[in-house]
Amino acid sequence: GAVVSQHPSWVICKSGTSVKIECRSLDFQATTMFWYRQFPKQSLMLMATSNEGSKATYEQGVEKDKFLINHASLTLSTLTVTSAHPEDSSFYICSVPGVVGGELFFGEGSRLTVL
Amino acid sequence: GENVEQHPSTLSVQEGDSAVIKCTYSDSASNYFPWYKQELGKRPQLIIDIRSNVGEKKDQRIAVTLNKTAKHFSLHITETQPEDSAVYFCAASMTSYGKLTFGQGTILTVHP
Repeated sequence: GAVVSQHPSWVICKSGTSVKIECRSLDFQATTMFWYRQFPKQSLMLMATSNEGSKATYEQGVEKDKFLINHASLTLSTLTVTSAHPEDSSFYICSVPGVVGGELFFGEGSRLTVL
Repeated sequence: GENVEQHPSTLSVQEGDSAVIKCTYSDSASNYFPWYKQELGKRPQLIIDIRSNVGEKKDQRIAVTLNKTAKHFSLHITETQPEDSAVYFCAASMTSYGKLTFGQGTILTVHP
C-alpha cells in the first residue's frame, strides 16, 4: 500500500495563531488527498478533498477560509488551520487513495491542541 | 450524501469468544466497504474490505459479510484475543470517487 507521511505528529499553539500540517505521499503521485478530522472518542469526519493544481472541495459545514488547503504538487498537500481556537483542537488525518479503487492509506495523524 | 450507521458503540467479550459489529449504509451506489482498526492515538489501519460484487470475504480470524439488498455489512472476529481490543470503524464509498464515509465506531474490549 501507499506510504503516507504526516508532519507534525503533534502541535500545541496559542489561540489566534495559525498551524500548518503537511501530508506527503512518499511512494506514488497523488492527484487527490483527503483530510479528515477526529475529535476525542468520535469518528473520522471528512473535511475536504485536496485536488492537485486546483481548489479543494470542502464538505458542508467546513469553513474554507479557516482551513486552507494547498495541493501544489503530486506528493504534498498542506492543511493550514488559521486563527486557531480551542474548539479546533482535534486529531487531523490525511489520506491518499490507492490505485486499486476505494482503499485509503492514512498518514500518522497530527494532534492539534490550541490553548 | 452517504450515511453509515454502526452498532454497537461498545462491545465487551471474553477472550476466545466471537465479536460481531454491524453497519448499515444509505447510498445504494456505494460499492466499497472497508473496516479499520484504530488504536489509541494511532492512524486507522485497514483490516479487511469487501466490494459489492461479493457477499463474503474471510482472512484468518476476520470475516466480512455484505447484503446489498438490505444495505448492511458486518464484521466478524472469531477467537478474539486481548490484542484485538481497539476501536473499529466501518466505512463506505463509491470507488470512482474515493472518499470514505465512516461509521461512528465500536470500542471492542477483549477480557483475558
